[in-house]
Amino acid sequence: QKEVEQDPGPLSVPEGAIVSLNCTYSNSAFQYFMWYRQYSRKGPELLMYTYSSGNKEDGRFTAQVDKSSKYISLFIRDSQPSDSATYLCAMSANTGNQFYFGTGTSLTVIP
Amino acid sequence: ETGVTQTPRHLVMGMTNKKSLKCEQHLGHNAMYWYKQSAKKPLELMFVYNFKEQTENNSVPSRFSPECPNSSHLFLHLHTLQPEDSALYLCASSQGRLAALNNEQFFGPGTRLTVL
Repeated sequence: QKEVEQDPGPLSVPEGAIVSLNCTYSNSAFQYFMWYRQYSRKGPELLMYTYSSGNKEDGRFTAQVDKSSKYISLFIRDSQPSDSATYLCAMSANTGNQFYFGTGTSLTVIP
Repeated sequence: ETGVTQTPRHLVMGMTNKKSLKCEQHLGHNAMYWYKQSAKKPLELMFVYNFKEQTENNSVPSRFSPECPNSSHLFLHLHTLQPEDSALYLCASSQGRLAALNNEQFFGPGTRLTVL
């Protein structure tokens, strides 16, 4: 079983739609949860960072963590063509130096 | 230059060649990482250096040889690679060693490697 599971998509939505991206994981020791955005020909950049369970909101982006279900989500409201990218979830435990990544979900927002 | 830079951006090499990838970070960070990114696969951590000392080596074949001469520079030496090694190689850096709160990794743009 993979540490982190993420649907690779591709996902295509019209501009203005609400986008929901999800990851599941198997390791209950994970405490830190991250979402990265990767544009074509670029390295990943950190978008959202949450610790333990709960929600975190930053502008049009909301990250949710449900540790009981081992499930994390990223919601994008009022999606824009500039949101078109690959979104990677990542997570890590309290110690060590290892980040575990999902495969990434490719998102296209159509004008 | 700011952030994390990588050179070359693209590299095509034969299986018998020897080449090196270079990474430089201008963020004053102490930890540096090499990742391999293949299509439809999760980012694979290859090596971790903290204060120039290698702290992680995730069962990477010996045809990949990392070098970290100082906290700002990281190299990946390549020799006798296989076609399945073709991928995007990403370098990253972070302030501290632990995958802990606010320890953000900053990624470079990557080197697209093709092995013929």
